[in-house]
Amino acid sequence: AQKITQTQPGMFVQEKEAVTLDCTYDTSDQSYGLFWYKQPSSGEMIFLIYQGSYDEQNATEGRYSLNFQKARKSANLVISASQLGDSAMYFCAMREYNYGQNFVFGPGTRLSVLP
Amino acid sequence: GAVVSQHPSRVICKSGTSVKIECRSLDFQATTMFWYRQFPKQSLMLMATSNEGSKATYEQGVEKDKFLINHASLTLSTLTVTSAHPEDSSFYICSAPHRGERKFTEAFFGQGTRLTVV
Repeated sequence: AQKITQTQPGMFVQEKEAVTLDCTYDTSDQSYGLFWYKQPSSGEMIFLIYQGSYDEQNATEGRYSLNFQKARKSANLVISASQLGDSAMYFCAMREYNYGQNFVFGPGTRLSVLP
Repeated sequence: GAVVSQHPSRVICKSGTSVKIECRSLDFQATTMFWYRQFPKQSLMLMATSNEGSKATYEQGVEKDKFLINHASLTLSTLTVTSAHPEDSSFYICSAPHRGERKFTEAFFGQGTRLTVV
């Protein structure tokens, strides 16, 4: 079974608009972390935001916020005021702290910001 | 912040030759290094996990004899693609888990290596 699901292979958003990228996860571990990474065409992986399973507040980092719904096992990324430079692949990832400690990545969503 | 330096960033080699990719943690000790492979328009697939001073753990379906991983020190892990063939052409990227300034353990990635076998 897929541990991380990202149902949107591609998304378009108008510049300056907000966009939500979906991520659902599957784990029986009570202690885990959820991450979002941005991968531009250069290939580097850029950390965006982190949410711990015990964190009660939704994480925010500048224009990025994470809509964490633990009961639904979803961790959607919200990008506000999109910029042309936001066009990239976005990966949701999870680290289970009691099982293996690997980082598992979702299939990714390609975001294209339109001028 | 923590940095993982990966070299080379791009390499073209002839079929049948071997290629070594290095990942160095520049300002922290990386006891563990994850090695990923990424095909175009796909996600990162974990190939193997290397631990300093012990043998690497390979994921199912990854040939140990083809993808040699060495983690001889706390700051250096290497991946050698032996007898490379065109189907080995891919993007290879390493990452080291580290608890940095953000107070949680995150994955610090190298810049990636784009391997083309001709």
